[in-house]
Amino acid sequence: AQSVTQLGSHVSVSEGALVLLRCNYSSSVPPYLFWYVQYPNQGLQLLLKYTTGATLVKGINGFEAEFKKSETSFHLTKPSAHMSDAAEYFCAVSDRSEGAQKLVFGQGTRLTINP
Amino acid sequence: NAGVMQNPRHLVRRRGQEARLRCSPVKGHSHVYWYRQLPEEGLKFMVYLQKENIIDESGMPKERFSAEFPKEGPSILRIQQVVRGDSAAYFCASSPWASGGYYNEQFFGPGTRLTVL
Repeated sequence: AQSVTQLGSHVSVSEGALVLLRCNYSSSVPPYLFWYVQYPNQGLQLLLKYTTGATLVKGINGFEAEFKKSETSFHLTKPSAHMSDAAEYFCAVSDRSEGAQKLVFGQGTRLTINP
Repeated sequence: NAGVMQNPRHLVRRRGQEARLRCSPVKGHSHVYWYRQLPEEGLKFMVYLQKENIIDESGMPKERFSAEFPKEGPSILRIQQVVRGDSAAYFCASSPWASGGYYNEQFFGPGTRLTVL
């Protein structure tokens, strides 16, 4: 069974500092990998995804993530944090079987940006 | 383009009542997914439906919960005889379908926040 672990339920960084949100997954085969962002009282918005090809994936709002198969990781980074980045971030995986596309989510990381 | 619509956005029920949550997928999408988010937790998969078919309901509680996606109209998640533990945000997502194992992005709705008194 697939699982996702996000290290750190709360991360706090200063405005302009590097953002690093960690995600490790467990899967018998390399899965599809995703990062979603959730603003208060809103639904989930896809930040970026890895399905195939280049292992460094660029997403919206300046975020990027790197798929490292040897480390079973998909950490999310942004070079310079902005106040508007404050939100909850979820890492998710999906297996590659045709028709079996349910997402398995991590528990989330709440990102706080300090002025 | 209208995204995934969910209504109501907020629903309050007393213990023992029924809750009906509706989800209208993106136009042209034939697949709907329901997820539940308990307070301070991530989203948990509940059920995956195609028009008139349940594909995967492995995340649905065995009792009181049911889901449908009829040929016409929205998908409905129904919770009978609600209990306080059912209080959560329920999110619906939709996707199109493609063959060959090609991934299709799931688009999420804004969620329905259910409060059971």
